[in-house]
Amino acid sequence: EVQLVESGGGLVQPGGSLRLSCEASGFTLSRYSMNWVRQAPGKGLEWVSYISRSSNSRYYRDSVKGRFTISRDNAKNSLYLQMNGLTDEDSAVYYCTRDEDVDLGIDCWGQGTLVTVSS
Amino acid sequence: QPVLTQSSSASASLGSSVKLTCTLSSGHSTYTIAWHQQQPGKAPRYLMRLEDNGRYNKGSGIPDRFSGSTSGSDRYLTISNVQSEDEAEYYCETWDSNTHVFGTGTKVTVL
Repeated sequence: EVQLVESGGGLVQPGGSLRLSCEASGFTLSRYSMNWVRQAPGKGLEWVSYISRSSNSRYYRDSVKGRFTISRDNAKNSLYLQMNGLTDEDSAVYYCTRDEDVDLGIDCWGQGTLVTVSS
Repeated sequence: QPVLTQSSSASASLGSSVKLTCTLSSGHSTYTIAWHQQQPGKAPRYLMRLEDNGRYNKGSGIPDRFSGSTSGSDRYLTISNVQSEDEAEYYCETWDSNTHVFGTGTKVTVL
């Protein structure tokens, strides 16, 4: 069974840092590009970041550029999101997602991990 | 960057059909999209990929009553024989140069 399991969320003060992890199982992670997508409470889905299969390409939405870093370790079947300089606007459930194939959309979602930025 | 437009809400009686629309912005009418379902309190679930020629490819385990179709810049998701568990938010998604864009979602209420 294909599965994505996120961890690392929690309560953090404004300006703080957090590192999210996503463990993949049921498929070979190295064959897929991956993303982080977030959803603020009561709001819609918002793409955050993308990483290619070999980590050669990484993209971010403008609001997180310079603060967030996406990375992966294919040998450990894991995806990461390092988040620095957090603000209350970063409060959301963060989902790890898999792209169906090269130049295709998302075909698999994790269960999400909640990040709350508050003093 | 493409923009996806969705109606905010739709409703359907149990056992009826409902057709949701996702409209691609000007200049992006040939883009492929994906449909995702998010039931209350749950993570989103991938439903299908829908191409500009109307061909669609559903995810594993998605019931036959979910189908897709296309007309110009519009991408449709039709739910036939609506069930109570279909009450959910439905999002369309597209992508360009490895960045992804989501529509604002359509909340479907089952009457």
